[in-house]
Amino acid sequence: DQQVKQNSPSLSVQEGRISILNCDYTNSMFDYFLWYKKYPAEGPTFLISISSIKDKNEDGRFTVFLNKSAKHLSLHIVPSQPGDSAVYFCAASEGAAGNKLTFGGGTRVLVKP
Amino acid sequence: KAGVTQTPRYLIKTRGQQVTLSCSPISGHRSVSWYQQTPGQGLQFLFEYFSETQRNKGNFPGRFSGRQFSNSRSEMNVSTLELGDSALYLCASSYRTGSGTEAFFGQGTRLTVV
Repeated sequence: DQQVKQNSPSLSVQEGRISILNCDYTNSMFDYFLWYKKYPAEGPTFLISISSIKDKNEDGRFTVFLNKSAKHLSLHIVPSQPGDSAVYFCAASEGAAGNKLTFGGGTRVLVKP
Repeated sequence: KAGVTQTPRYLIKTRGQQVTLSCSPISGHRSVSWYQQTPGQGLQFLFEYFSETQRNKGNFPGRFSGRQFSNSRSEMNVSTLELGDSALYLCASSYRTGSGTEAFFGQGTRLTVV
């Protein structure tokens, strides 16, 4: 039972354009969502997060949107840069479960110069 | 500020052996969580320790255990290793426990069971 899903396993985008990564969840108890970027054989790097009381959070080139009614969140990267090429994971947590993060399967992003 | 440090980075063990992995969290962080990453199952939560107490546990067999010391450093142990335990084991530290806290990951320990 996958509670967090990233339905697009891969995404290819031209440098300078927008990358949009999507994530769906089923557990309505999730109240905090995070995005991580990961290179092979390294640990995930925290990018941006959003609380369920908000619908948007921005940090530089990264913006996360949350649609609670649809149980859907997305990460926008503008403009995309070649260094953004990596695997991106969406993760969710609920207050009662401490710091337990439930991860999606990841989306591999390739930014072409 | 130093990040999360995991040792060793790479490990090769034989089936049936046991292994201990170590994690030093970011200074001041009191929560340490462990995750397993495999190609088939993705990133899966193992357990979380906060102030030396296990706060939460994932769906893994009892062969997987952990502990946390008074300085917040944590170890995880896997006994009677199986081939399927080959994975990247990741440790994450957070300032506190509870939702709304960012978790910062170490570089992981790549365990290969032969």
